[in-house]
Amino acid sequence: GAVVSQHPSRVICKSGTSVKIECRSLDFQATTMFWYRQFPKKSLMLMATSNEGSKATYEQGVEKDKFLINHASLTLSTLTVTSAHPEDSSFYICSAGRRDYGYTFGSGTRLTVV
Amino acid sequence: GIQVEQSPPDLILQEGANSTLRCNFSDSVNNLQWFHQNPWGQLINLFYIPSGTKQNGRLSATTVATERYSLLYISSSQTTDSGVYFCAVGASGTYKYIFGTGTRLKVLA
Repeated sequence: GAVVSQHPSRVICKSGTSVKIECRSLDFQATTMFWYRQFPKKSLMLMATSNEGSKATYEQGVEKDKFLINHASLTLSTLTVTSAHPEDSSFYICSAGRRDYGYTFGSGTRLTVV
Repeated sequence: GIQVEQSPPDLILQEGANSTLRCNFSDSVNNLQWFHQNPWGQLINLFYIPSGTKQNGRLSATTVATERYSLLYISSSQTTDSGVYFCAVGASGTYKYIFGTGTRLKVLA
């Protein structure tokens, strides 16, 4: 089955620095990947759709200059949280797959900005 | 946009009990999945079920797309079933998934 790997699983960074999160599809090629954010005890909110070889599509209210997405190959998408602040602390999850088979999710990245 | 509501929001069961979780959506969908989020945050895919009925061990799911709902049945619940259950739907004409509000399940020994 489809396997999606996400790294790192946990990261602590200082306010003002940038953090990069990787999402890899291990056994399939993914032209589209998705990035979600989850606040404590809340549901998952779609942030953006990552498109291989082109610009990401961001959901309303998501700052594209804050959350940079790059999908340079068919197996890798990255989310960079730029100039992170404590309010960016959250759980970030990526997903990939085929629409007619369902999507698989990475294990998530818990970001803490101090 | 499409709205996805799950009920009940919270559920406490004794081990061995059965339960039914519901997912209602406001528009037609071409995808639907049920997930279990474990205490570490990992989302485990339970069912890909845009329509019909599927079973996997103690779990089964039914989606009635024409009536815009899906049900997840858990039989003989175990403590390891505890966590949050999400349904996620893909609206017709889009690749994107919208997640439901979730059901937080706690199974007591």
